[in-house]
Amino acid sequence: AQSVTQLDSQVPVFEEAPVELRCNYSSSVSVYLFWYVQYPNQGLQLLLKYLSGSTLVKGINGFEAEFNKSQTSFHLRKPSVHISDTAEYFCAVSDMYSGGGADGLTFGKGTHLIIQP
Amino acid sequence: NAGVMQNPRHLVRRRGQEARLRCSPMKGHSHVYWYRQLPEEGLKFMVYLQKENIIDESGMPKERFSAEFPKEGPSILRIQQVVRGDSAAYFCASSPTGRGEQFFGPGTRLTVL
Repeated sequence: AQSVTQLDSQVPVFEEAPVELRCNYSSSVSVYLFWYVQYPNQGLQLLLKYLSGSTLVKGINGFEAEFNKSQTSFHLRKPSVHISDTAEYFCAVSDMYSGGGADGLTFGKGTHLIIQP
Repeated sequence: NAGVMQNPRHLVRRRGQEARLRCSPMKGHSHVYWYRQLPEEGLKFMVYLQKENIIDESGMPKERFSAEFPKEGPSILRIQQVVRGDSAAYFCASSPTGRGEQFFGPGTRLTVL
């Protein structure tokens, strides 16, 4: 079984400041890792994903994340945030060997990023 | 290429009624997943289906909930005899391979009065 922990339920940041949203996971097997963003009353949009290869992953809207296998982390970063980044951010994992994502994605509880002017 | 489509976007039901939620995956995607999002919580996996087959329903409540993905037409999540605790946002996602990235629909927000 897998689990995902997003340590911060809410992160307030001033506009143009950098931000890091933390994500730790646990799994007995290798995993794929994802960050999704959810704007109010909307579905989830994929920000970035780690499937294999380089541990530094670049996504849309200037976001990036780094996979750290030894620390079982996949923290999301952005060097300078904008008001439009205000949203809920979800970290998710899936089992790489489940033969088809049979367990679906396991999500963290989300981090609400609040950008202050 | 249209994204994942869900309808209705909002659904209001009284206790004891049935709710039917529909999901049309992206073109070429034969893997469909349903998730439920309760207020202030992340998404919880419910069921994974391929055409005409339920692959994994480990996240589905044992009673009143069922899902199907027929050969033709959308996937349906059916909730019988709804209760107030069923009020939530239900999201559908599809995948071309059943592995890796999933593409999400806009969700159906179910309110049970």
